Amino acid sequence: ILNVEQSPQSLHVQEGDSTNFTCSFPSSNFYALHWYRWETAKSPEALFVMTLNGDEKKKGQISATLNTKEGYSYLYIKGSQPEDSATYLCASSTDKLIFGTGTRLQVFP
Amino acid sequence: DTAVSQTPKYLVTQMGNDKSIKCEQNLGHDTMYWYKQDSKKFLKIMFSYNNKELIINETVPNRFSPKSPDKAHLNLHINSLELGDSAVYFCASSQEVGTFYGYTFGSGTRLTVV
Repeated sequence: ILNVEQSPQSLHVQEGDSTNFTCSFPSSNFYALHWYRWETAKSPEALFVMTLNGDEKKKGQISATLNTKEGYSYLYIKGSQPEDSATYLCASSTDKLIFGTGTRLQVFP
Repeated sequence: DTAVSQTPKYLVTQMGNDKSIKCEQNLGHDTMYWYKQDSKKFLKIMFSYNNKELIINETVPNRFSPKSPDKAHLNLHINSLELGDSAVYFCASSQEVGTFYGYTFGSGTRLTVV
């Protein structure tokens, strides 16, 4: 059974703070690691798909790293803004994508 | 244009009824999925189709039957609805089978069984 765990469950930060979350997954039979951003009342939106150990990806002020040997990925947000408030989901796969429960980020002005 | 569209957005129905949820994608993707968001907010895979062919069928009651008339459509039919079927159901698509491509999700169908 593939278990994908995310921490923390929720996070409250002030505008301008930088923050990071963790996704841990079983490292055996790893295929890919996905990060999604999920705003309330909308659908999850793909941020990154990473496959190689040591991968680093960046989109604006958001970046992610991947360590497949130890089974974790970090998502960083530099200088959080209120519009970054959302749930950030990671998902890992062997033949199918298994999602974690997400980290709910709230950025206060 | 909505890339992955699901209808209806909300569905309230009585126990024992049969209902369908429709999903269409206009991205030209080969693979489509149904996910169920359970009470703990987990997104759990139910089914996956690649070019009209079933490739993933998780442990889901037989009352749930997906149908893919073409690769742009994946509908979900549910027979004899039960209270425990109440959830949000998400359709998604990806460029190809496998998990090397990001998924594009629909906006979800909130099913309430009373």
